[in-house]
Amino acid sequence: GQQVMQIPQYQHVQEGEDFTTYCNSSTTLSNIQWYKQRPGGHPVFLIQLVKSGEVKKQKRLTFQFGEAKKNSSLHITATQTTDVGTYFCAGPTNAGKSTFGDGTTLTVKP
Amino acid sequence: DGGITQSPKYLFRKEGQNVTLSCEQNLNHDAMYWYRQDPGQGLRLIYYSQIVNDFQKGDIAEGYSVSREKKESFPLTVTSAQKNPTAFYLCASFPGDNSPLHFGNGTRLTVT
Repeated sequence: GQQVMQIPQYQHVQEGEDFTTYCNSSTTLSNIQWYKQRPGGHPVFLIQLVKSGEVKKQKRLTFQFGEAKKNSSLHITATQTTDVGTYFCAGPTNAGKSTFGDGTTLTVKP
Repeated sequence: DGGITQSPKYLFRKEGQNVTLSCEQNLNHDAMYWYRQDPGQGLRLIYYSQIVNDFQKGDIAEGYSVSREKKESFPLTVTSAQKNPTAFYLCASFPGDNSPLHFGNGTRLTVT
């Protein structure tokens, strides 16, 4: 079945440093979604990428979808303490099921 | 406000007892899902339902049961057959057409 892998599992940065998490799928994806889960919270949808090579920005966050639609990345510029949490990518399967990566947990030292 | 309500937020049970987690949505979504999350791990699909009175097993259905008698409700029962029931349980709904999942706030179950 479809597998979605994320690296790194954990990332510790100093406030102001950049952060990147990478997502790789074993199969071609029709789209990829990114979610953020704050400590103790539930996943909250950030963005969806659909087109090959697509790049989307949300303030300091930049999302990319690979040309082959099998990989994606999330880059945060100049991290802030409010960025802490776990970032998940998810690829759709049939019946609306989503296969989630294991997530990258970001901690930011002030 | 439309959304998904999971209750309770924290639940404690003794080993050997069945426990039912509630999930209610007023988003009018046909599809609903139950995920399990263990510390430092991603979300694993337990059961899902695409329509009332129908549901399918996910990747880790053993030891769990569900029902879908109403569109708004998708309760999950953690049975005594589940070997490691302590986890964070997330309910979600799906509006369709490549849209994102909508998650409830989760229930943290501790079994001792």
